[in-house]
Amino acid sequence: EAQVTQNPRYLITVTGKKLTVTCSQNMNHEYMSWYRQDPGLGLRQIYYSMNVEVTDKGDVPEGYKVSRKEKRNFPLILESPSPNQTSLYFCASRTGADTQYFGPGTRLTVL
Amino acid sequence: AQSVSQHNHHVILSEAASLELGCNYSYGGTVNLFWYVQYPGQHLQLLLKYFSGDPLVKGIKGFEAEFIKSKFSFNLRKPSVQWSDTAEYFCAVTHASGGSYIPTFGRGTSLIVHP
Repeated sequence: EAQVTQNPRYLITVTGKKLTVTCSQNMNHEYMSWYRQDPGLGLRQIYYSMNVEVTDKGDVPEGYKVSRKEKRNFPLILESPSPNQTSLYFCASRTGADTQYFGPGTRLTVL
Repeated sequence: AQSVSQHNHHVILSEAASLELGCNYSYGGTVNLFWYVQYPGQHLQLLLKYFSGDPLVKGIKGFEAEFIKSKFSFNLRKPSVQWSDTAEYFCAVTHASGGSYIPTFGRGTSLIVHP
């Protein structure tokens, strides 16, 4: 089954404690993206990757890091989380300009 | 920078009412257009898309959208909504830039349908 998986689905952490949210896709898509969804603000792209070892900033990259060492994986790293990073995070993958396939989401709370 | 505007942030309808959600974008070049739906507690999934050809596009669950190039619009319509259409709807536009394809989302429209 074609899918995008994310882990964990829910995470509560404290300010400053490094965390990683994993994302994996099995569709051989070259593009992968991370979004955050906040009430009234819709989806905002954090980072995206066009292929292995190629990443670029989206609209709200501050406080986040990503890496793309393998085509299927695109982890999101928060080196020092802060409360304003409390949000719902979605990973997505696609081929070029075509449809994005979204993961189930990760709800992060930073205390 | 490209922007996508969804004019209706919250829409409340009764079952069987007709629906039209507005979407306008700012990019003047070639674009691919999408509507995604997010049911409560779920992830986004594709409702319909337009790349080229017939500007009237039909999607799943009776939804359709019309691309009007001169108005930079891609409005979503459904003649008769159902309670199960309660969800958040996002318009998205992808355009080519510097060798990559950049998607931009609108802020979303929350639709509540009363039975």
